[in-house]
Amino acid sequence: EPEVTQTPSHQVTQMGQEVILRCVPISNHLYFYWYRQILGQKVEFLVSFYNNEISEKSEIFDDQFSVERPDGSNFTLKIRSTKLEDSAMYFCASAQGRSSGNTIYFGEGSWLTVV
Amino acid sequence: AQSVTQLGSHVSVSEGALVLLRCNYSSSVPPYLFWYVQYPNQGLQLLLKYTTGATLVKGINGFEAEFKKSETSFHLTKPSAHMSDAAEYFCAVSGPDSWGKLQFGAGTQVVVTP
Repeated sequence: EPEVTQTPSHQVTQMGQEVILRCVPISNHLYFYWYRQILGQKVEFLVSFYNNEISEKSEIFDDQFSVERPDGSNFTLKIRSTKLEDSAMYFCASAQGRSSGNTIYFGEGSWLTVV
Repeated sequence: AQSVTQLGSHVSVSEGALVLLRCNYSSSVPPYLFWYVQYPNQGLQLLLKYTTGATLVKGINGFEAEFKKSETSFHLTKPSAHMSDAAEYFCAVSGPDSWGKLQFGAGTQVVVTP
């Protein structure tokens, strides 16, 4: 079973610090996503990424967030200046295509705690 | 726009009993519907999905779900619960033009008792 891997599994950071969450999508996948889940709330879509650019982003994904695929394998989410309310589980996901025949695979998540 | 409502944040079921998890959706376009499962300390794993065609969808681990357009529902069932089914289950919806942009329900935690 192919899998999406995420690092770190858990990170604690001081408010105002920059955080980078890393993801290695499944190797032949072309579409990449970040979602987050604040404790006790729904899993929320943040951003989709294809062909080295953002395809779609939610209103949550403001200027403090950025994504990139720096080396063709890793897919990163950067939070420039963390806030307490950024504490959440962040899920990376990938898919080979964008049609209904494709499955979106999720990683195990990175738990971010901002103190 | 799409949204999902899952009835019941916690469900307790006896081993061997029917598992029924309820999901209702709203969508302005024909929906794509999904059930994901999250086992402790693991990621979200796709159980099954409905896109088009047959409205009764079979998934992994003996689960199935039926798309009922008239009821805007996509309830998940399993005839006989196993201890290994203890997990959190998420219903999600997307539209044909927003594949990958899933709207998730709040999740239902399933506890299986001996």
